[in-house]
Amino acid sequence: DQQVKQNSPSLSVQEGRISILNCDYTNSMFDYFLWYKKYPAEGPTFLISISSIKDKNEDGRFTVFLNKSAKHLSLHIVPSQPGDSAVYFCAARPSGNTPLVFGKGTRLSVIA
Amino acid sequence: GAVVSQHPSRVICKSGTSVKIECRSLDFQATTMFWYRQFPKQSLMLMATSNEGSKATYEQGVEKDKFLINHASLTLSTLTVTSAHPEDSSFYICSARRAGGLGETQYFGPGTRLLVL
Repeated sequence: DQQVKQNSPSLSVQEGRISILNCDYTNSMFDYFLWYKKYPAEGPTFLISISSIKDKNEDGRFTVFLNKSAKHLSLHIVPSQPGDSAVYFCAARPSGNTPLVFGKGTRLSVIA
Repeated sequence: GAVVSQHPSRVICKSGTSVKIECRSLDFQATTMFWYRQFPKQSLMLMATSNEGSKATYEQGVEKDKFLINHASLTLSTLTVTSAHPEDSSFYICSARRAGGLGETQYFGPGTRLLVL
């Protein structure tokens, strides 16, 4: 049973436009959500996170939105750049010292 | 930022040999470290959670006698793949959770590509 779902395996966006990556979760006990970016043959790089007590967190071109009632979060990248092309993983953490639960990732391609 | 290193970055070995992968948190103390495995075009699969000074907790289906984990200090965890076989070939990634502070964010190492011939 997959607790964190990224239903779009891939997304293509033109350079300069907005990229929106979506993530759904089923466990209402998750209290912290993160987005990671991963290039091939490299470890994931932490991008941005949000606590369950917030509905928005912004860092430069990256904004994460959380809708707890819908159990949905999204990552917005604007403007999108070719260097943003990578696989993006959504992750969630139940309260306590437990491992993150990852989605399967969405491959973003930003076309120049 | 928080930096996690892994060594080696790539290893090729013969079937039957053991391989040790080191994971270090370079600029912070990590009470908890995690080991993941990633197959091509697949998500990260958690193998085990290790806490400094105690035995690792393995995920279901992961053989603890095959994948030995030692978390000897707050900055070092090692994964030893014993008697490696070709099916163990994969991309192994460690992750460390910073002690204190927010403590929620896991920082990942660059990964180790293991190829067993």
